Amino acid sequence: EAGVTQFPSHSVIEKGQTVTLRCDPISGHDNLYWYRRVMGKEIKFLLHFVKESKQDESGMPNNRFLAERTGGTYSTLKVQPAELEDSGVYFCASSRFGVRNTGELFFGEGSRLTVL
Amino acid sequence: AQSVTQPDIHITVSEGASLELRCNYSYGATPYLFWYVQSPGQGLQLLLKYFSGDTLVQGIKGFEAEFKRSQSSFNLRKPSVHWSDAAEYFCAVGDNNDMRFGAGTRLTVKP
Repeated sequence: EAGVTQFPSHSVIEKGQTVTLRCDPISGHDNLYWYRRVMGKEIKFLLHFVKESKQDESGMPNNRFLAERTGGTYSTLKVQPAELEDSGVYFCASSRFGVRNTGELFFGEGSRLTVL
Repeated sequence: AQSVTQPDIHITVSEGASLELRCNYSYGATPYLFWYVQSPGQGLQLLLKYFSGDTLVQGIKGFEAEFKRSQSSFNLRKPSVHWSDAAEYFCAVGDNNDMRFGAGTRLTVKP
């Protein structure tokens, strides 16, 4: 069974440009999460999908960030326009039943974003 | 709102020595607690979790953690560290349907 995959693994862009990160969850996992880690800080929650619906997007920093999960399969996270403070590692995680049921999130390796 | 504090940013131990990584949480109800590990070039992997019951939980790779409600702590321990344990360790608390993480503790293992 394939794990959570994220693309690209590393992206370097200039301030003002647009970047789209993609996450393919484990097949059959309805729950998909995006997290971000800015250098040395905690891994911060961004949002949570259940299938194609946004269950909780309270962690999204501002309206420059747009997450979608069309059809309830893969998800994209677009940053437009990117700012310097958006640099960090963006993690995607998935789970079949959610935290309160099984407790385990399966994480991808992360997409490192560097904004110059 | 729930939060997690990992007071130690970086810890160095000698191979074969014992290890304890600290984690304190803030949560209004019975917490669901987790420890994850991230090795270089890999995603986060679940080491162990506490939902209820026995406050000492066993995990993979020889790790264990003890839930202490009175201290709001969930410290991770290993009696003898191996060089392959060098990684970053994250404590997390689960609420509703998502998870909140601490800032992580980086473990260096000396030969």
